[in-house]
Amino acid sequence: DIQMTQSPSSLSASVGDRVTITCRASQSISSYLNWYQQKPGKAPNLLIHAASSLQGGVPSRFSGSGSGTDFTLTISSLQPEDFATYYCQQSYSTPYTFGQGTKLEIK
Amino acid sequence: EVQLVETGGGLIQPGGSLRLSCAASGFTVSSNYMSWVRQAPGKGLEWVSVIYSGGSTYYADSVKGRFTISRDDSKNTLYLQMNSLRAEDTAVYYCARLERYCSGGSCYSVVDYWGQGTLVTVSS
Repeated sequence: DIQMTQSPSSLSASVGDRVTITCRASQSISSYLNWYQQKPGKAPNLLIHAASSLQGGVPSRFSGSGSGTDFTLTISSLQPEDFATYYCQQSYSTPYTFGQGTKLEIK
Repeated sequence: EVQLVETGGGLIQPGGSLRLSCAASGFTVSSNYMSWVRQAPGKGLEWVSVIYSGGSTYYADSVKGRFTISRDDSKNTLYLQMNSLRAEDTAVYYCARLERYCSGGSCYSVVDYWGQGTLVTVSS
């Protein structure tokens, strides 16, 4: 199985900050990497697929990059509604494993 | 409008069985890839199972041999039959629709719609 490792596990930041979350796969997954946002008590929401394709309706301050084993999610200017937990997921092969999550908190 | 509504969760004793249902509307279950994803209390997301439009199924090692994913095309409903339940199966179970993207001969799937989740608690 492909293991997905996110860093950091938690992050404190302020409104307006630029934030980067990284995700590393245990083997190459090409660009088959997705990012989800989850708020407490809610189902996750797709932000980015195929490493860098922004899902419709997602603000342009979110961006993704990477290929192979190393990927990043960047939020260019944090907004109050962005404080949540973020998960990466590989869709290269089953099982479609998730990273352990990065909790983004208000500083 | 796409909607996924899970039912069937509850409190069950270790070793017991439970069947989760996911009623879909706004699209056809049999034409899509469908998954179950779970989240233990206070923990991260864990992919559980997928059923492809052709009927092939795959499972996480943690549930293989105990859980079965299926669908009823006449009811446009996805199921997860869970047997030999363990305390570590306690989680919110989400039903998910996968959108398929293809480019240059390669395809991949992402979850574009989620249900609201149903809580399964395995405890004596």
